[in-house]
Amino acid sequence: EAGVVQSPRYKIIEKKQPVAFWCNPISGHNTLYWYRQNLGQGPELLIRYENEEAVDDSQLPKDRFSAERLKGVDSTLKIQPAELGDSAVYLCASSLDRYNEQFFGPGTRLTVL
Amino acid sequence: SQQGEEDPQALSIQEGENATMNCSYKTSINNLQWYRQNSGRGLVHLILIRSNEREKHSGRLRVTLDTSKKSSSLLITASRAADTASYFCATDPLINTGGFKTIFGAGTRLFVKA
Repeated sequence: EAGVVQSPRYKIIEKKQPVAFWCNPISGHNTLYWYRQNLGQGPELLIRYENEEAVDDSQLPKDRFSAERLKGVDSTLKIQPAELGDSAVYLCASSLDRYNEQFFGPGTRLTVL
Repeated sequence: SQQGEEDPQALSIQEGENATMNCSYKTSINNLQWYRQNSGRGLVHLILIRSNEREKHSGRLRVTLDTSKKSSSLLITASRAADTASYFCATDPLINTGGFKTIFGAGTRLFVKA
């Protein structure tokens, strides 16, 4: 069974540029999560989807971050414009539902210059 | 603020020894999960323990949960060099709206010397 797929794996951009990350969750998983992980820290939840509905987005900086999960499957996370402080690893995870374990993708390492 | 806090922050042991990591949290939870992350890799789920459970085993891993003390421990027995990684606890706290938000601690960095 394929795991959570993320792309790209690495992205280097200049500040003020836009960037987008893509995630394909495990088939049949209704819940999808986006996390940000800074070096030496644990992941920080940005947003959680239950099917196509966004719930729990209190940590998402809504002035520059946006996310969508069309048809309740794939998801994209966008930053526009990127700032230096956005450099981090962006992790996508999925689970059968909110009560079960989460399976993580390999992450996208973003560097903002 | 982070819900889970792991202790110790770093741990160095010899291969074959046992490693114990602790996690403390602040509010009532639905469940607690332990994850492993190798350097530069994604997180791998190890064990999920629900609030009504006290102990779970998986291979060389043993997790305990004490809801009265709001703490959990992860024991790795007979450690191997391949166990070298960061270990995170993640909690699903009950919040006022009845929902939850998974919160990770900063992790324990385990180094197992061959």
